[in-house]
Amino acid sequence: NAGVTQTPKFRVLKTGQSMTLLCAQDMNHEYMYWYRQDPGMGLRLIHYSVGEGTTAKGEVPDGYNVSRLKKQNFLLGLESAAPSQTSVYFCASSYYSVNTEAFFGQGTRLTVV
Amino acid sequence: AQKITQTQPGMFVQEKEAVTLDCTYDTSDPSYGLFWYKQPSSGEMIFLIYQGSYDQQNATEGRYSLNFQKARKSANLVISASQLGDSAMYFCAMTPALSGNTPLVFGKGTRLSVIA
Repeated sequence: NAGVTQTPKFRVLKTGQSMTLLCAQDMNHEYMYWYRQDPGMGLRLIHYSVGEGTTAKGEVPDGYNVSRLKKQNFLLGLESAAPSQTSVYFCASSYYSVNTEAFFGQGTRLTVV
Repeated sequence: AQKITQTQPGMFVQEKEAVTLDCTYDTSDPSYGLFWYKQPSSGEMIFLIYQGSYDQQNATEGRYSLNFQKARKSANLVISASQLGDSAMYFCAMTPALSGNTPLVFGKGTRLSVIA
């Protein structure tokens, strides 16, 4: 019973490099989210998806792109990494948004140097 | 836009005492859900408790209870009989609108330290 799995767990990038973070869930959830967590800032929503083939911007979408080609996967892309994108990234999924809890991945610690 | 405010960056509590973590929210939607999550030092996010805006009773889950005051737009988490393992970051979160297509938004969190 994997739940929500994020790949990779750690990554160091050089400024300007690109990468993709993968989130996979095996619970048939409709909703998927990408957050970033920075000290003193809580979890800020980057992008989210309410179903396969849909994406929407959250609070801090600049510098990121996402895709949800398959219901179980939600990809977060950084096209040209910047030091300001150094953060811990969390993926989450939920069956519905209002009255069901979200399940979180273990997080990805990304450092951009 | 919906907003969650947690005004206590850090709290201390003596072991076995009760503690209240504050959360206020702002939404114009009549239907919404409120959640509390715990993040221990290991980093994972753990769901604790849920309260729906139309629920008549305050939610309880073991030692956790949610003091829901709709008119004040507050959803405070009460932890009874604190344990050392309760030391963690606690986040309040909300999903507004029953119609869906609305994301889960978080407050900035409160760091709770339980003292022996």
